[in-house]
Order: sequence, then structure tokens, then C-alpha cells
Amino acid sequence: ETGVTQTPRHLVMGMTNKKSLKCEQHLGHNAMYWYKQSAKKPLELMFVYSLEERVENNSVPSRFSPECPNSSHLFLHLHTLQPEDSALYLCASSSGAGKTGNSPLHFGNGTRLTVT
Amino acid sequence: GENVEQHPSTLSVQEGDSAVIKCTYSDSASNYFPWYKQELGKRPQLIIDIRSNVGEKKDQRIAVTLNKTAKHFSLHITETQPEDSAVYFCAASKSNYQLIWGAGTKLIIKP
Repeated sequence: ETGVTQTPRHLVMGMTNKKSLKCEQHLGHNAMYWYKQSAKKPLELMFVYSLEERVENNSVPSRFSPECPNSSHLFLHLHTLQPEDSALYLCASSSGAGKTGNSPLHFGNGTRLTVT
Repeated sequence: GENVEQHPSTLSVQEGDSAVIKCTYSDSASNYFPWYKQELGKRPQLIIDIRSNVGEKKDQRIAVTLNKTAKHFSLHITETQPEDSAVYFCAASKSNYQLIWGAGTKLIIKP
């Protein structure tokens, strides 16, 4: 049991499809993150939610739309993606809210997304 | 912009030998330096971290050293074992929202 669960594990979608990635954390954390992981590149932070409010959006294209209905759940809605969006999408959570301070990130196993 | 350089990209060592991975960072305000390990097909997991008020930290076979003046920090793994094979990521940050990651080092332990 990882404490952070992501579904689905694998997703293949066409460029005209709409799909959603789901993340759930059972650790009692109050911050959640979406990261994009591409081969041989640094992890890219996409979105951060703290206490269910988005606090960071690193210039992510609008075809990615996050949703955080409560502190335990996080979604990433996908529409009209491009082949270069194919990657591993990782969800993470941490304790501590606010823009200062650091606490360890707890990652899910990721969703391997392929856009055809 | 701020960045973290990580070297080498691939490291192959004989089982039982030591492995060292180095990272340099550009933002002198960074005060937290975690290391994550990602085994093939699995999620990244924190293995050790260090804060800027400490120069060295050890946890069994793993140690991290920090040189704030030179803005670099290193991961040291002694007596390497097959289960140490993974990709290791360093990061530097001022806060969880400003975590800057290295590109990763693939560590291969040869039997």
C-alpha cells in the first residue's frame, strides 16, 4: 500500500479524446501535486494544490486541467492532447501548506500515458 | 533560470564498491536538498535529505554531503548491493513549490 494511489496505470488515447487521471492519498496530507516525467529529463512540476486551492501552475498548456475536490483527491483532465504529451504522470502529496518550508513528497506509481 | 545539474547520467560500479553522484545548483537561496530513488517501473521514493544548516548526513550505507559555498551536494552509497540499482534524482529547493530537479543518474550494480 503506497499511501498514494493513481488510476489508471496505463492509458492510450487519441488526440481527440477526453480522459481523466485520478489520484487519491490516504496519508492525511494537505498538499497534492501533478508531475510530468519524460525520459532523461528532470521531473516537471505541473500543478500544486494546498488545502484544495491551486497555488502553482507552471505554464502548463490548457489542454491539461486539474481538479482538487478535497484534500484526498486530485484529478487531471486531459483533452486534445499531442503526441509529445506522452509521458509518465506522477501524483504526489506532502504535509505542510504554504509557500515556505519543505517536507518529503510521497509519490504514486504514476499513469503511463501514450497519445496516438 | 534556476537549475540543478546532475552527474553522471549513468554510473556502473562493481557490487561492493562505492558510488558517488554529484549535483550542483544555481540558486544560493536553496535550503533543502532531497535525494529520491526510482526503481524500474516504480515510483520515486525519498532516501535521504539534508538541510542547509548541516554539512553531512548519514543513514546506514547512504550519506549526503553539502558544500554551500560551492553550491554542490553529493550522494554516497557504500558497499553497493544489487538492490541499489535504480535511477537516483537530486533536487534543490526553497519550498515544496519550488523544487528544482536534476535529470537523474542511472546506477547499475554489476555482480
